[in-house]
Amino acid sequence: QSALTQPPSVSGSPGQSVTISCTGSSNDIGSYNYVCWYQQYPGKVPKLMIYDVTQRPSGVPDRFSGSKSGVTASLTISGLQAEDEADYYCCAHSNDYSLMFGGGTKLTV
Amino acid sequence: EVQLVESGGGLVQPGGSLRLSCAASGFTFSNYDMFWVRQGPGKGLEWVSTIGTSGSTFYPDTVKGRFTIARENAKSSLSLQMNSLTAGDTAVYYCARKLLRRGWYLDLWGRGTLVTVSS
Repeated sequence: QSALTQPPSVSGSPGQSVTISCTGSSNDIGSYNYVCWYQQYPGKVPKLMIYDVTQRPSGVPDRFSGSKSGVTASLTISGLQAEDEADYYCCAHSNDYSLMFGGGTKLTV
Repeated sequence: EVQLVESGGGLVQPGGSLRLSCAASGFTFSNYDMFWVRQGPGKGLEWVSTIGTSGSTFYPDTVKGRFTIARENAKSSLSLQMNSLTAGDTAVYYCARKLLRRGWYLDLWGRGTLVTVSS
């Protein structure tokens, strides 16, 4: 069982917005801003989409945004496109040198 | 080209051992913390180990005492020695590089190598 909880699946229509949640605890998401999101297509390697809760690496479209409230982090994808259909994993760590991933959310467009 | 290439995966019996390797190229390997992350069949991502630039190592409880991560900067190489393997260790094992900033964010991943533990 993952230490970070994500919904197994979400769906949306092209052009709409969807939000994927990631719930942790006061020991990780609730206390630190070390939260990230990865996108993974079937059979492909994960790609970093968001780090430090809200930051996008170079090349990631600004349709992808991150946020956090309490012990829950969220990834919002606006203006959904067919190419956004993938699995999304949140990640978090604290100062105890352990890295956690969520169980993953399958986005269907 | 900036890349990571894993090797060494294969079929191993329960209780057996396997050593994975990761060859880095296109960047200054010694400047980066490196990770192993695995993904079981149809499952999510799972952190396996970390080695810092100074050689400090970190493991989750699930592999601590069984797995050993090491690096050889002169060869731009990362390894993972896996002992006492169980069926639960069956997964694709990815080598990954940490972003050059605070936070354990992985910005470069290899394509992975499959480890199957079965009799």
